[in-house]
Amino acid sequence: DADVTQTPRNRITKTGKRIMLECSQTKGHDRMYWYRQDPGLGLRLIYYSFDVKDINKGEISDGYSVSRQAQAKFSLSLESAIPNQTALYFCATSVHGEADTQYFGPGTRLTVL
Amino acid sequence: AQSVTQLDSHVSVSEGTPVLLRCNYSSSYSPSLFWYVQHPNKGLQLLLKYTSAATLVKGINGFEAEFKKSETSFHLTKPSAHMSDAAEYFCVVSDRGTGRRALTFGSGTRLQVQP
Repeated sequence: DADVTQTPRNRITKTGKRIMLECSQTKGHDRMYWYRQDPGLGLRLIYYSFDVKDINKGEISDGYSVSRQAQAKFSLSLESAIPNQTALYFCATSVHGEADTQYFGPGTRLTVL
Repeated sequence: AQSVTQLDSHVSVSEGTPVLLRCNYSSSYSPSLFWYVQHPNKGLQLLLKYTSAATLVKGINGFEAEFKKSETSFHLTKPSAHMSDAAEYFCVVSDRGTGRRALTFGSGTRLQVQP
């Protein structure tokens, strides 16, 4: 079984719709992250959470929100999706003490029409 | 502030020949450096990491990278390419001095392996 899972794996939606992407991990890590990947831009950090009560904006948080429901779960929401949020979204985890070694989920491909 | 530049967006090699993927970084503190690989329609897999121990780092699948502080480089190499190495490779830096351990990704290098 995968240590970091993301649901859904693919989603097509329309402009203005609310979308939630979910991430779960069984690694027991305390830190979780959301990134988006666009062609030619690498991965960019949207939000990160160092524990359930510690949530921080990344470099491109506008238009997104997150919820850390438990240590193992970290959700990303698009309150009103727009076409330029079409991207591949990755969740990642790390552990305190080795915080810069991150482990990635398989990704969610989101298309906003 | 930290940044990463991957000098080639595409690299094409023949199977059995050496691979060189180039990465330069900028960091205000002592950096940690990583290479990740992404196969088509897959997530990112950690290939190797440098965290201030030996400057020559060995990773999985025969890859290695050398940290050169004077050149601010962390190039990825493999002596002999295999077809299964075809993928996108990301160089990543983490500024350990920031306290928040944010990762900065390069834009990626797509490796093509010709038979």
